Amino acid sequence: GEDVEQSLFLSVREGDSSVINCTYTDSSSTYLYWYKQEPGAGLQLLTYIFSNMDMKQDQRLTVLLNKKDKHLSLRIADTQTGDSAIYFCAESRDTGGFKTIFGAGTRLFVKA
Amino acid sequence: DSGVTQTPKHLITATGQRVTLRCSPRSGDLSVYWYQQSLDQGLQFLIQYYNGEERAKGNILERFSAQQFPDLHSELNLSSLELGDSALYFCASSAGFGLAGVETQYFGPGTRLLVL
Repeated sequence: GEDVEQSLFLSVREGDSSVINCTYTDSSSTYLYWYKQEPGAGLQLLTYIFSNMDMKQDQRLTVLLNKKDKHLSLRIADTQTGDSAIYFCAESRDTGGFKTIFGAGTRLFVKA
Repeated sequence: DSGVTQTPKHLITATGQRVTLRCSPRSGDLSVYWYQQSLDQGLQFLIQYYNGEERAKGNILERFSAQQFPDLHSELNLSSLELGDSALYFCASSAGFGLAGVETQYFGPGTRLLVL
């Protein structure tokens, strides 16, 4: 199948860390992504990780990939109210073209 | 601002009608991608064009078609519209022909289509 699954909601307090989880099914996925969508806006690429990497860190963002379990997570350190958005996990595979499969998105609520 | 523009921002039409959504990619980007975001289906990849030619196809209905013009802007045509076609349609662009994961896709703000 082509499923990418995420939990739908996450609520954290300002200053805490947020961890958003994602599972995917296609072992041939070569790249995995996290996108952020703020209300009324398009998707913004936050970060991506190659399938041969275990971890990638970019400022407050840490991506962990467990390829064996097909599990991807995004950790946001020191979560701020401006981080409130929907976060999409996505995976892509080279099928002769560029095909990206998105999860349903996790809505992050940050409480002040 | 991603540099990708889409028009119109909102579109309201009736079942059975046909509409055209327009996308202008970032300056210099050769690939354009179309996505549909609906409440029940989530974000679905529809189709990709690279330098005027179709490159990859996703879950695009036969009632839908797209093209990319010599100036690299793209149009998504939706015909015989049904209530279920109501959704947010995103366009994205990337610099090259989209080797999986190598290129960042930049998304436009979307066109919100409401079919009544």
